[in-house]
Amino acid sequence: DIQMTQSPSSVSASVGDRVTITCRASQGISSWLAWYQQKPGKAPKLLIYAASNLESGVPSRISGSGSGTDFTLTISGLQPEDFATYYCQQANSFPLTFGGGTKVEIK
Amino acid sequence: EVQLLESGGGLVQPGGSLRLSCAASGFTFSSYAMSWVRQAPGKGLEWVSAISGSGASTYYADSVKGRFTISRDKSKNTLYLQMNSLRAEDTAVYYCAKHDYDSSGYSPGGAFDMWGQGTMVTVS
Repeated sequence: DIQMTQSPSSVSASVGDRVTITCRASQGISSWLAWYQQKPGKAPKLLIYAASNLESGVPSRISGSGSGTDFTLTISGLQPEDFATYYCQQANSFPLTFGGGTKVEIK
Repeated sequence: EVQLLESGGGLVQPGGSLRLSCAASGFTFSSYAMSWVRQAPGKGLEWVSAISGSGASTYYADSVKGRFTISRDKSKNTLYLQMNSLRAEDTAVYYCAKHDYDSSGYSPGGAFDMWGQGTMVTVS
C-alpha cells in the first residue's frame, strides 16, 4: 500500500499569509495526487487534481505542484474561508490512501 | 446539477448489518467509478471501497474486505454498501464519492470530484 505523509499536521496563520502544505508518497505516484479541503461538519471538497490542476470554481490563490513522491499545496494570501483541514490523496492505485490532514488555524 | 444523497445510516449493535444507499443525479451514473469513504469521529479520511462504472470490478480496503460489499444499480442510479459483521471501529460518517472518470486496468478513476453529505453509522 502507498502511504501518504502530510506535514505539518497543523499550522497557525493570519489572513494574507502564504501557507504551504507538503505531502510525501511512500513510492512514486507520477502526478496522481489530489488535494481536498474540509470544513467542520461538511464533506470534503476537491481543490486540485492531477497534482497541479485547479478544480473549476476554486480560487487561483490555491495551487498545487510536484510529481513522483513529493507534492505541495500552496495558499497565497490566506482568506477567512480558507481556515479548514486539508488532505492529500493518491489516485495512482488501490487501495486509495489519504494523508493524515493539515489543520489551518487562525493565529 | 450533480448530486449525491446518502441514506441508511444509524445505530447498530456489534456483529449487526446495515445497508447504505447513495442516490446519484445530474450525471451519467454508469460512466463513472464510485467510492465509499469514511471518517471516524475526530479522525481523518479513510477510503473503504470502489466500484467501476459497469459494476464489474470492485475494490476494498483490507479493513473491510470480506465484511462489506459494494454494488450499484444503473436503473436506479444508486450506489450501495452492504455492511455485515460490524465492529465498533466501523463507527464513522460514510460518504459516497464520484470519481473523475471510470476506473480501468490502468487507473482507479482519478480524484473524487463530488461527495455526498455523509451518513453516520454508529456501532455500539
